[in-house]
Amino acid sequence: QKEVEQNSGPLSVPEGAIASLNCTYSDRGSQSFFWYRQYSGKSPELIMFIYSNGDKEDGRFTAQLNKASQYVSLLIRDSQPSDSATYLCAVKEGTYKYIFGTGTRLKVLA
Amino acid sequence: EAQVTQNPRYLITVTGKKLTVTCSQNMNHEYMSWYRQDPGLGLRQIYYSMNVEVTDKGDVPEGYKVSRKEKRNFPLILESPSPNQTSLYFCASTPKGGSDHEQFFGPGTRLTVL
Repeated sequence: QKEVEQNSGPLSVPEGAIASLNCTYSDRGSQSFFWYRQYSGKSPELIMFIYSNGDKEDGRFTAQLNKASQYVSLLIRDSQPSDSATYLCAVKEGTYKYIFGTGTRLKVLA
Repeated sequence: EAQVTQNPRYLITVTGKKLTVTCSQNMNHEYMSWYRQDPGLGLRQIYYSMNVEVTDKGDVPEGYKVSRKEKRNFPLILESPSPNQTSLYFCASTPKGGSDHEQFFGPGTRLTVL
């Protein structure tokens, strides 16, 4: 069974700090990786996707992928209380099959 | 407004009483999918559909059926619900081609089976 693992948290960071969220995956052949944000009681919304090794930046968010280590991370710079949510890591398998991690709950303290 | 809609949003039912959760999208997306979300287990894919009349099992298909007779609709059917199907359910759709990475999720259906 292919797996995606995340620390459930909560990860607490002070406002303005960098939040670092991590995810590991078991299938070495995985090619596409996604980060979703989910507020309590709401549906997931896509923050970023990454396909290539290295960093990808979008505003305050940076996704990092290391395929050799089977590791993908999300950095949130200048964290705000509104960033408090659960962050889901997902890996795409094949054409249209996704495996999600259990999510990391982030709390940004004002 | 481009969206994925689900109905009902909340449902309490009893064991064995057949139910259908509807999902509809107005974005002409080819791909649609159903997930369930449970505490500590995350989002798990139940079924997905590549196009009209084309469906396939995800990771947890037992106890569920789906159909895709029209492109916009992808209902989830529980023929004989059991308490272990109490969960939060999400439908999602994705366009084929260049944006195939972005899944658009519906608002969720909270199901309780007594």
